Parts: sequence; structure tokens; C-alpha cells
Amino acid sequence: AQSVTQLDSQVPVFEEAPVELRCNYSSSVSVYLFWYVQYPNQGLQLLLKYLSGSTLVKGINGFEAEFNKSQTSFHLRKPSVHISDTAEYFCAVSEMNRDDKIIFGKGTRLHILP
Amino acid sequence: NAGVTQTPKFQVLKTGQSMTLQCAQDMNHNSMYWYRQDPGMGLRLIYYSASEGTTDKGEVPNGYNVSRLNKREFSLRLESAAPSQTSVYFCASSEGRGPYEQYFGPGTRLTVT
Repeated sequence: AQSVTQLDSQVPVFEEAPVELRCNYSSSVSVYLFWYVQYPNQGLQLLLKYLSGSTLVKGINGFEAEFNKSQTSFHLRKPSVHISDTAEYFCAVSEMNRDDKIIFGKGTRLHILP
Repeated sequence: NAGVTQTPKFQVLKTGQSMTLQCAQDMNHNSMYWYRQDPGMGLRLIYYSASEGTTDKGEVPNGYNVSRLNKREFSLRLESAAPSQTSVYFCASSEGRGPYEQYFGPGTRLTVT
């Protein structure tokens, strides 16, 4: 069965600095990969997803992620963060040609420092 | 479009009481899901429904039941609430299996005393 590890539970970063949120997954088959964002007191919404093709995926709000099959990673990056990026970020994985359950990581809380 | 709606937004129950959380989507999605979110645990799947008339257990189904009333609605029932069920509950929907984005409701914050 698939699993997802988000290596950092919290990441503090100064405003306008770059940030990387790390995600590693484990699966015996090919996967679909997702990053979701949860703003305070809201539900989750999709930032970006990798299905196939180019390993660099661009999402909303200036975020991007790179799929690395050899390292089984899907790290999320943004070159310059804004105070409005304060949120919790979840990496998720779904196995191709298996049931449609998505497994979510435990989340990384991004703190933007002024 | 309202997307995914959930009621109620907040609820306090005493141990042993029952309640039903309601969820509806207006996107004509086939699949619907119930998750619970606890601090440091991420989202854990309780039950899901791949299509109208079908339901399947997720990672943490004990203590819960679900009903896929029609294509739009998917309810979650707690028959005898326990303090361990204190959590934030999210309903989600998607077009179908695998590569499809899940759309989430705003959540229900449940406290069991």
C-alpha cells in the first residue's frame, strides 16, 4: 500500500524568501501525486498535481513541484513567499489503476515571518 | 455553484448521543468521501462512495456509518458518540477514481464531552 511522508511538521520562513516543503512517498506501482493547501478554518483545495509527462508541475499562487521518481519525492517550492501563503500544506498520493483512495501526508504548517 | 456543503458547522455532543453529518455536492460528481482531521495526523479516510448506491470502508471506519442517499448527498452517522470522535470532519467529492481533484467542504467541528 502507498504511504506519504512529509518530513517537516512546521516550516518558518521570512516573507519574500524562498521555501521548499518536502514530500516523499512509497508505492510499488506508478502513482498520481498532489499538493493541497488548507487556509485557516477552511477545507482543502488543490495547489497542483502530477499525473504524467513533465516532471516539473506548476500550480496556483506561484507554487511548483518536481516529481523525482528515483528519489520517490515530490517537493513543493515557491521562490518568494507572501504572508497570504500562511497555511497548512498536504502532500497526497494515489496509486494508478488501483482504487480511488488518496492517502494524505500529515501536513506541513508554513509560518511566514515578517 | 455552491460546490460541497456540510451541515452543521459546529456541534457539541455528550458521550453516547447520536448525530448525522450532512454533505451535498452540486458538481455531478460520482465519488464522495468522509475524512477526519486531527492535529498531527493529517486527513484520515473514514468511508467513501465510488458511485451512487455503493460505500466502502476507509482507514478509520469504526464507530461510523454512512449513507449515499443519491448522487448529490452522502451522510455520516455517529450512532453512539465517544470522546475519541472529537475531530474536524470533512466531506469531499471528485469526478471519479485516481487522477481527479477532490473538492472539499468547509468542515464540521465536533466535540464529544
